[in-house]
Amino acid sequence: DGGITQSPKYLFRKEGQNVTLSCEQNLNHDAMYWYRQDPGQGLRLIYYSQIVNDFQKGDIAEGYSVSREKKESFPLTVTSAQKNPTAFYLCASTPHRVAAFFGQGTRLTVV
Amino acid sequence: GNSVTQMEGPVTLSEEAFLTINCTYTATGYPSLFWYVQYPGEGLQLLLKATKADDKGSNKGFEATYRKETTSFHLEKGSVQVSDSAVYFCALSDRNSGSRLTFGEGTQLTVNP
Repeated sequence: DGGITQSPKYLFRKEGQNVTLSCEQNLNHDAMYWYRQDPGQGLRLIYYSQIVNDFQKGDIAEGYSVSREKKESFPLTVTSAQKNPTAFYLCASTPHRVAAFFGQGTRLTVV
Repeated sequence: GNSVTQMEGPVTLSEEAFLTINCTYTATGYPSLFWYVQYPGEGLQLLLKATKADDKGSNKGFEATYRKETTSFHLEKGSVQVSDSAVYFCALSDRNSGSRLTFGEGTQLTVNP
């Protein structure tokens, strides 16, 4: 079945650590996105990529980094510079200008 | 810039009640409009969409009509079920922003039996 796979589902990070969230899609979509969701709030865009080897900052990119070496993969690294990383992270992909498909999310908690 | 405003929640209804969740938007271009649903602990699923003025999106008994004159895209369902309990997000994208989605803050719906 085609879809978007995020892993892990739950992730715990110690203070000062970098962690990487995985997002893989087999839908052959060009564009991929990372969103952050905080309790009771909407989604905020962290980074997005419309083609391989190219990506742009979203609205809250500070403390995060991404790469897009393959069309299928768009990993997100939460760096130690992100002071409040505890949140639900959602990856999405879309063919050009059509509704996005979302993964099941990764819940990141700082311990 | 683009923005989406949803009615404040949470919303609590009894089974078989009529549902309306208001959504208004501000956009610089001619946006496409979407409603997404999120069940607890899961990602978002597309519920319905409309790509031009006066289009009506519908799915699973839910409907929303793209009203350009009032810049609105209100979600309605004639008879809700307990299984409709979820968070509903209104969103838009436009040509100027490529495929970027701008989301409202979400409305928590709880349906009691």
